[in-house]
This record gives sequence, structure tokens and C-alpha cells, in this order.
Amino acid sequence: DADVTQTPRNRITKTGKRIMLECSQTKGHDRMYWYRQDPGLGLRLIYYSFDVKDINKGEISDGYSVSRQAQAKFSLSLESAIPNQTALYFCATSVQGDEQYFGPGTRLTVT
Amino acid sequence: DAKTTQPNSMESNEEEPVHLPCNHSTISGTDYIHWYRQLPSQGPEYVIHGLTSNVNNRMASLAIAEDRKSSTLILHRATLRDAAVYYCILRDDYGRAGGTSYGKLTFGQGTILTVHP
Repeated sequence: DADVTQTPRNRITKTGKRIMLECSQTKGHDRMYWYRQDPGLGLRLIYYSFDVKDINKGEISDGYSVSRQAQAKFSLSLESAIPNQTALYFCATSVQGDEQYFGPGTRLTVT
Repeated sequence: DAKTTQPNSMESNEEEPVHLPCNHSTISGTDYIHWYRQLPSQGPEYVIHGLTSNVNNRMASLAIAEDRKSSTLILHRATLRDAAVYYCILRDDYGRAGGTSYGKLTFGQGTILTVHP
């Protein structure tokens, strides 16, 4: 089984809808991250969490919110999806500041 | 964050060595050099990292220039599975709890490696 899983893997939604992307990890890592990837822009950090009670904004957090329900679970929500949030979303985990392990990604399309 | 510069693309033949260059002329003394790669339709994958000395692991080798202003990722025998985008990234808080950059990875455009059979 994969160490970092993301659900759903693909999602098409309409403008204005609320959507949640979920990430789970079995690695026992304390830190978790959400990135988005757009063609030509590389990966950009949305939010990161040191532990359940420590959540921080990344470089592009506007329009997103997160919840760290447990050490192993970190969810990303789009309260009111808009078309420019169409992207590939990756969750990652790490132990403190060590190398990061990425999930397989969620492809989100907002129409 | 210190900036890295990589070629947009490179090509190699299967079973030949590949040398992927990265320039980082503004690197600071505490910056670690990290390499990640992203295979098609997958998330990024850690490859290797180093500070000053050359490093080897099961995936690759990392050669760091003496002045640390450049580095080279070496794949000793490229396989078709090595076709990916390779990212060279600098981080100043590797392994340190509470590091000021909080483990942030700043991904540039990377180098697209094509491996020919």
C-alpha cells in the first residue's frame, strides 16, 4: 500500500461548489503539505502543518482552507471553487525538515 | 530563496550515463542542494541531497563543485524509467526542527530528461 494516499484522484466540479481533497499517510510523519502544480509554473505551496495544532499558510493560500484532523490526515478545501483553481494538487509529508514524500496527486477541474 | 538554473531539457540513450547540471551561484553557506524528480503522472520523488561533499545513493550520485556554485546529478546508467523532470532545489533548514523555511521546497521549471531506447 502507498505511504501517502490522496482522494479523489480525479474530480470535476462546477464553479461555486465546495470541494474537499483528502490526504492520508502511514509514514508517521509530523509535517504535511499541500501543493498545486500548474503547467509552466512548477509546484507552489498552499498550506503546511507541523502537527495537528500548527497550520500555516504557504505562498498561495487565498481561496483555500485546510484541516489537520489527525497526525495522519490533512484535508484541503475549496470553499467556492473557481476555474483558475483547476490544477494538479499534491499532498506531501516529512519528518521535521527532512525530505518530502509526495502522494500521487489529485487532478481537479473546475468548469 | 537562492535561485537555481537548469537546462530546460536533455536527452540520453538507455544504459548510458547522464549528467544533469544545476547552477546556483547565489547559494549561501547553509543551503543544502536537493534533487527531486517527477515521473509522468506521478508526484515528485526525492532523489538525493548534499551540502559540500559528493554524495552517492542507490538512485544517483551528486557532484558538488568546490565553490558550491554548481552541482551535477549523475545517473550512472539511464533506464527508460528515469525519463522525468528533474528539479534542483536549495534549502537552508534541512534536518533542523523549527527551521525558518519550514521545509518549504521551491520548485523551478526543472530539466525534462528524455531517455531513448
